[in-house]
Amino acid sequence: DIHLTQSPSSLSASVGDSVTISCRTSENVYRYLNWYQQRPGKAPKIVIYDTSKLQSGVPSRFSGGGSGTDHTLTIRGVQPEDFATYFCQQVYSSWSFGQGTRLE
Amino acid sequence: QVHLVQSGAEVKKPGASVKISCETSGYTFTGHHIHWVRQAPGQGPEWMGWINPSIGVTSYAETFQGRVTMTWDTSKSTTYMALNSLTSDDSAVYYCARQNYFETSGYFDFWGQGTLVTVSS
Repeated sequence: DIHLTQSPSSLSASVGDSVTISCRTSENVYRYLNWYQQRPGKAPKIVIYDTSKLQSGVPSRFSGGGSGTDHTLTIRGVQPEDFATYFCQQVYSSWSFGQGTRLE
Repeated sequence: QVHLVQSGAEVKKPGASVKISCETSGYTFTGHHIHWVRQAPGQGPEWMGWINPSIGVTSYAETFQGRVTMTWDTSKSTTYMALNSLTSDDSAVYYCARQNYFETSGYFDFWGQGTLVTVSS
């Protein structure tokens, strides 16, 4: 099984800041890495798929990058509605998620 | 508009079974895999498996092999997830999610609202 490690586990930011969340996988997942946003009490919502593809309707301040075993999610100019928990997901070998990064 | 609507919260005793439904609408039911994911409080999501309603094939995570069964009813555009031999570790919110496809990859573009399962004696 491929294990995903997100860092940091929590991240403090202010409106307007730029933040980057990291996701490291135990094996090479190539570009097969997605990012989700989850607000309390709600289902996750897809933000980025295939490492860097922005889901329709998601603001362009979100971007994804990386390859192999190291991927990142960046938010440039954090907005109040971005304070949530973010999860990475690998879909190269079966499906699995990271433990999450809480943006607060 | 795509919607996935799950059945309501369940309270079960240890050793019992639970069956959750996921009724879909707004798209061709047989055109997309449906996945089941659970999430314990404060934890990351845990993938449980998927069903392909077009051909009735399922794939389960090794963790749940032998304990989970995913079925479907095309006439109702609904999938079901049954989990047996429940323990307190199975207390979680259970989600169904629709898979979308990109080249050889995939992601979950629509989710159900979640079903809270509480296992307690």
